[in-house]
Amino acid sequence: DIVMTQFPDSLAVSLGERATINCKSSQSVLHNSNNKNYLAWYQQRPGQPPKLLTYWSSTRESGVPDRFSGSGSGTDFTLTISSLQAEDVAVYYCHQYYTSPLTFGGGTKVEIK
Amino acid sequence: QVQLVQSGAEVKKPGASVNVSCKASGYTFTSYAIHWVRQAPGQRLEWMGWINAGNGKTKYLQDLQDRVTMTRDTSASTASMELRSLRSEDSAVYYCARVRVTGDFIWDYWGQGTLVTVSS
Repeated sequence: DIVMTQFPDSLAVSLGERATINCKSSQSVLHNSNNKNYLAWYQQRPGQPPKLLTYWSSTRESGVPDRFSGSGSGTDFTLTISSLQAEDVAVYYCHQYYTSPLTFGGGTKVEIK
Repeated sequence: QVQLVQSGAEVKKPGASVNVSCKASGYTFTSYAIHWVRQAPGQRLEWMGWINAGNGKTKYLQDLQDRVTMTRDTSASTASMELRSLRSEDSAVYYCARVRVTGDFIWDYWGQGTLVTVSS
């Protein structure tokens, strides 16, 4: 199984400041046939289901604010929130869909400082 | 608009079975696979498996292979997940999720979640 490791476990950021979340996979999720990274990021607010933010490592889902950006390739990935807003308080999960079983990181809790 | 509406919370005893349903609306049900994901308290999300809503083919997490069955009723646009021989560690919120595009494993719409509590 591909193990997804996120860090930090939590971070507190001031409103308007940048938040950076990291995710590392135990093996590459870059598919050679199409040069795509099978990596998505989800946001989960308290009491809500996860919400898709980005996929293919860096493609933003329709309707997601452009302050959210995904980057990285192979085994190392980053989700950046460029200017933290109050509504961004949530847990963020990375997810690999390169191979079964599909697996998730342990989550990063983002709070306001 | 696309909606996935799940059945209500359940309390079950160890060894019992639970059936969670997921009613879809706002799109052609048979054109998109439905996946099931669960989240135990304080734990990471765990993918359980998926069903092709068109042909009914399924694929399950190997650890759950013997205890889970996913089905769909195309006439009711509803997917269902049955988990048998429940254990305390099966206590979790269970989600259904629809794939974004036929053939991929990215989920754009989710149900609201169903809390299953296993307790004697």
